[in-house]
Amino acid sequence: NAGVTQTPKFQVLKTGQSMTLQCAQDMNHEYMSWYRQDPGMGLRLIHYSVGAGITDQGEVPNGYNVSRSTTEDFPLRLLSAAPSQTSVYFCASSYSIGLLNTEAFFGQGTRLTVV
Amino acid sequence: GNSVTQMEGPVTLSEEAFLTINCTYTATGYPSLFWYVQYPGEGLQLLLKATKADDKGSNKGFEATYRKETTSFHLEKGSVQVSDSAVYFCALTEQSSGDKLTFGTGTRLAVRP
Repeated sequence: NAGVTQTPKFQVLKTGQSMTLQCAQDMNHEYMSWYRQDPGMGLRLIHYSVGAGITDQGEVPNGYNVSRSTTEDFPLRLLSAAPSQTSVYFCASSYSIGLLNTEAFFGQGTRLTVV
Repeated sequence: GNSVTQMEGPVTLSEEAFLTINCTYTATGYPSLFWYVQYPGEGLQLLLKATKADDKGSNKGFEATYRKETTSFHLEKGSVQVSDSAVYFCALTEQSSGDKLTFGTGTRLAVRP
């Protein structure tokens, strides 16, 4: 059981380049989300999805796009990278949006540097 | 809105010392509370949780009690080990925020042999 798999683990981009961070889960979870982790800021929600075909914005969505064509995959796209997007990105999934009683499972993270 | 405040780190302890990491919260409704742990080079994983007042979550020797009267969820362990070195995140989720997780800033714990 692989859980939540993120690729790549490390990436360096030049300002203005685009890229897609991949996230896949094999637990048949409905709810998936993307966070960024910055020093002194904790984790902040970028985008989330409550099921295939449904996405919504989180706390810091600007500069990022997402789509959810399948239950398993939830890619995060940076259309034009900026140095402010240098961060560690985590994908997470859970059985439902009802996190009151369910556990969120996290990927190992993608460390992105934009120069 | 909801928020979580954790004590500033890093916290440095000797092996077998007692650990407390303070966490207080603000929520508009009745939240569930969590501690997540992030070991070096890994993603976050759930350490323990509590879903109602006076509940005690426990796991791997760690404990935290949901205190509604003081809006706190402090993490404790009686005797830390080197392997406990990690970053610890307090978090909450609550229905009025769409059940999304709100995290504290994290507290780094370093345990010396």
